[in-house]
Amino acid sequence: EPEVTQTPSHQVTQMGQEVILRCVPISNHLYFYWYRQILGQKVEFLVSFYNNEISEKSEIFDDQFSVERPDGSNFTLKIRSTKLEDSAMYFCASSRDGHYGYTFGSGTRLTVV
Amino acid sequence: AQKITQTQPGMFVQEKEAVTLDCTYDTSDQSYGLFWYKQPSSGEMIFLIYQGSYDEQNATEGRYSLNFQKARKSANLVISASQLGDSAMYFCAMRGRDAGGTSYGKLTFGQGTILTVHP
Repeated sequence: EPEVTQTPSHQVTQMGQEVILRCVPISNHLYFYWYRQILGQKVEFLVSFYNNEISEKSEIFDDQFSVERPDGSNFTLKIRSTKLEDSAMYFCASSRDGHYGYTFGSGTRLTVV
Repeated sequence: AQKITQTQPGMFVQEKEAVTLDCTYDTSDQSYGLFWYKQPSSGEMIFLIYQGSYDEQNATEGRYSLNFQKARKSANLVISASQLGDSAMYFCAMRGRDAGGTSYGKLTFGQGTILTVHP
């Protein structure tokens, strides 16, 4: 069964450093998403990406965050200058139609120290 | 805006018994989708079941069924014949629309319910 692949599975970074979280969505999917989950809390929407541009973003997704689909297969989330409160699990997801069939990656656990 | 409420922080069930996890939602959309996901301690999000707002029959997937009551805006998950491996966090989620009314598939999640299955 096709999978959404996220790398790395764990990342530890120092406060103020830039991090890039990588995702390879399912190849025939057209809609891409990033979510985050602070430990023990609910999953929160960050951003959706469709037709090579951001289609929707939450208030969490401020100027410190950016997304890219640089080569038609990877989908990346960049955090420019990490803060302690950015520590969370980050999930990438993709969907063929933005309607029903969502597939989540296994997540990247980001720890900012 | 969409809102999902799961009022049960934790639930306990005996192995082989059935359990219902509650989910209520709020939306002004006529067309929407409701999802349940399982998150084991390893952290991944596992899709369990989907219910479309226009589906007349309650969704079922193996031991999972969704008790959809549209007028009450509830979409409770029923797990029959609980197994030890069902112990996990369970999230209810809704597919929503942006401020302009377009759906790009954003999911809004509830707070989750931790289910513990006792042997």
